[in-house]
Amino acid sequence: GENVEQHPSTLSVQEGDSAVIKCTYSDSASNYFPWYKQELGKRPQLIIDIRSNVGEKKDQRIAVTLNKTAKHFSLHITETQPEDSAVYFCAARTGNQFYFGTGTSLTVIP
Amino acid sequence: DTEVTQTPKHLVMGMTNKKSLKCEQHMGHRAMYWYKQKAKKPPELMFVYSYEKLSINESVPSRFSPECPNSSLLNLHLHALQPEDSALYLCASSPIFTDTIYFGEGSWLTVV
Repeated sequence: GENVEQHPSTLSVQEGDSAVIKCTYSDSASNYFPWYKQELGKRPQLIIDIRSNVGEKKDQRIAVTLNKTAKHFSLHITETQPEDSAVYFCAARTGNQFYFGTGTSLTVIP
Repeated sequence: DTEVTQTPKHLVMGMTNKKSLKCEQHMGHRAMYWYKQKAKKPPELMFVYSYEKLSINESVPSRFSPECPNSSLLNLHLHALQPEDSALYLCASSPIFTDTIYFGEGSWLTVV
């Protein structure tokens, strides 16, 4: 089955700096890659996603890039704000299965 | 509307109790999921229903019993749970296997 690895497990940045979280996957059949943000005590919320036929997608301060050949995708957050502090999960979809990364705990220091 | 509704939000149960978690969605999604999540860990897939039929059971112990009465409802029946089963139980739904999954708020379960 699919194996999704996520790095780093923890990340601290100063407010206003950029944050980058990286994920790799193993199954070339995976074709959909969402990112979820989970605040403490709340549900995972979809923040951005990318399909395998697209290399990059941007939504305001958030962007995702996908390199199908290398089987990795990354989340980029620019101009970070304290409210960006949360745990971020990447995921890869293969057929009817979602495989989640292990999560990155992001702290934005004011 | 991307709403998946779960009840109850919090549940405390003894190891001999029988209880149920409920999930409802009215987005016309034909795939529904149960996930278990421990603190700061990723959601862990338990069951997948597609077109009201169980399509994936990730070797979940029989003390967890899912039920899909119709295309909008998903239940998780709990019996003889262990303290290590304490976790956040997330229901999710998606258009059938072609898009993202939308999570409910979750049910916080504590087994005492």
